[in-house]
Amino acid sequence: QVQLQESGPGLVKPSETLSLTCAVSGYSISSGYYWGWIRQPPGKGLEWIGSMYYSGTTYYNPSLKSRVTISVDTSKNQFSLKLSSVTAADTAVYYCARSLDAFHIWGQGTMVTVSS
Amino acid sequence: QTVVTQEPSFSVSPGGTVTLTCGLSSGSVSTSYYPSWYQQTPGQAPRTLIYSTNTRSSGVPDRFSGSILGNKAALTITGAQADDESDYYCMLYMDSRISVFGGGTKLTVL
Repeated sequence: QVQLQESGPGLVKPSETLSLTCAVSGYSISSGYYWGWIRQPPGKGLEWIGSMYYSGTTYYNPSLKSRVTISVDTSKNQFSLKLSSVTAADTAVYYCARSLDAFHIWGQGTMVTVSS
Repeated sequence: QTVVTQEPSFSVSPGGTVTLTCGLSSGSVSTSYYPSWYQQTPGQAPRTLIYSTNTRSSGVPDRFSGSILGNKAALTITGAQADDESDYYCMLYMDSRISVFGGGTKLTVL
């Protein structure tokens, strides 16, 4: 059974970099699929942040591209999100997910608040 | 930038049928966008219902079905139940594997 679990600081200061990790169990990231991040501000809809193919190719939301980096650590079977220069507008629940033709498997999500 | 459009809200009676749609601000939705649908209840992660236009995810009841209706993707719930009351999001794959979610539809069953 494939499971994804997000982790990282729940509070980040404005202008700093948000860093989250998604640990994958039950499947080796390097075996296939796309691995992505989606966020949801409080009371609002879902927003795709970006995805990474298992080979390392990345795809980013054009509106966030200048601030986003998604990377993988195959030795730990996890992938990461870095979002730089955060503001209050980046406050959201952040989900990691596995995808191919859709996002099929989701993590439970982690709340990140941007505040001083 | 292309916007994916959904009805903000919809209401259905228990046992009734409702069709939610997913369109584009410019152009028509086709199967080449690989439309998918997600159900989300408060405080929970989204649950995948439909992918590749009309394929149900494992464990999804057959009262949920997906299709293309005219120039939009559609999610039809036949025989709505109380626990279908949720937010529903569609997602489309654009060029270069850019994913775009619709704004979501809040479905009320009453």
